[in-house]
Amino acid sequence: NAGVMQNPRHLVRRRGQEARLRCSPMKGHSHVYWYRQLPEEGLKFMVYLQKENIIDESGMPKERFSAEFPKEGPSILRIQQVVRGDSAAYFCASTDRGGQPQHFGDGTRLSIL
Amino acid sequence: GEDVEQSLFLSVREGDSSVINCTYTDSSSTYLYWYKQEPGAGLQLLTYIFSNMDMKQDQRLTVLLNKKDKHLSLRIADTQTGDSAIYFCAETFYGNNRLAFGKGNQVVVIP
Repeated sequence: NAGVMQNPRHLVRRRGQEARLRCSPMKGHSHVYWYRQLPEEGLKFMVYLQKENIIDESGMPKERFSAEFPKEGPSILRIQQVVRGDSAAYFCASTDRGGQPQHFGDGTRLSIL
Repeated sequence: GEDVEQSLFLSVREGDSSVINCTYTDSSSTYLYWYKQEPGAGLQLLTYIFSNMDMKQDQRLTVLLNKKDKHLSLRIADTQTGDSAIYFCAETFYGNNRLAFGKGNQVVVIP
């Protein structure tokens, strides 16, 4: 299966800890998008990255959240000092170039105790 | 703005047609999409339509776009139990690649 791979599928953290979410795009795709889905809500855009570059981070909270997509390896969404309000499903999507339909992974469900 | 509105719940009998509606406010959208989300899963791209088109048909799926009213609909013919899911409409805009999603419409198919 050459789809978008996200891990872990489920992540539990205590308040104040760090959460690291990983996303490997589809084979041949170099554009990655992160979205957050709160309970009973639609998805909200967070950040759009190409290899080694952040293209659009207009949806990222200003503090505690960061994202990267290194030359080698998966894209990482990092949340420092997690709080209860960070509990959500985080989805990654990828495309081979901008403007193409985005294909999603199965998401990481983050729970904060 | 990027407001996308969807009604919340629809129940339909197996074999009937189901229609899911979506309205959007930004006329600068480029593509409009329908995604399906089953419980605990990610989003599956069902179909999409370019903003200068009125209709697109893909097997059991028909997408209608009314640009004047900024209204998008998805019709599923011969609805099956496997069609039970949450359906999201989404749009992209000129000049950026992010998707703006509605809150979703839950479809329950009754056998």
